Amino acid sequence: QQQVKQSPQSLIVQKGGISIINCAYENTAFDYFPWYQQFPGKGPALLIAIRPDVSEKKEGRFTISFNKSAKQFSLHIMDSQPGDSATYFCAASGDYNNNDMRFGAGTRLTVKP
Amino acid sequence: DAGVTQSPTHLIKTRGQQVTLRCSPKSGHDTVSWYQQALGQGPQFIFQYYEEEERQRGNFPDRFSGHQFPNYSSELNVNALLLGDSALYLCASSPMRFSTLHFGNGTRLTVT
Repeated sequence: QQQVKQSPQSLIVQKGGISIINCAYENTAFDYFPWYQQFPGKGPALLIAIRPDVSEKKEGRFTISFNKSAKQFSLHIMDSQPGDSATYFCAASGDYNNNDMRFGAGTRLTVKP
Repeated sequence: DAGVTQSPTHLIKTRGQQVTLRCSPKSGHDTVSWYQQALGQGPQFIFQYYEEEERQRGNFPDRFSGHQFPNYSSELNVNALLLGDSALYLCASSPMRFSTLHFGNGTRLTVT
């Protein structure tokens, strides 16, 4: 059922560095691409989202880059902090099917102080 | 403003038993979706309820059923539990027209 492939599976970054997580999707009907952050024992929380009419969206230290032709999108975390250590999920859905969200398998990010 | 609340937080059941999980959506939300998150995996869509009816369903067997009440709260029922049903079950609510899913912290189900 997986229609969104996420990499890497785990990532270790030094404090202040840039964390980059990549996702690729198959279904061209997808038009909503969110990123979720999940801490242990908690549910996923929406971090940032993008629609395919723009190639980049930035919110604070978090940026989504979107390449519609390649069917790829990525999350960049600038100036990574230890508090960013969590599991990150990319996801995708269609506009009228937005509750059938297809998630990637997740990336466990560790930011070392 | 309470977010999405789920109960219980943890549950241990025996193979073959039945289980009911509960969810109260975020205030102002009328749509509830359920997801299954196996260990080390991303959430997988089970089904969505809106106006007390199942509106969408993912690739899950009929052993998984649900209900939505007039106050928008919801239940997930799983019959004839299998060991493979062990997972974190997440409830998410949303306003119908918007794509933002607000997740609860889940119910950890262990089937022995």
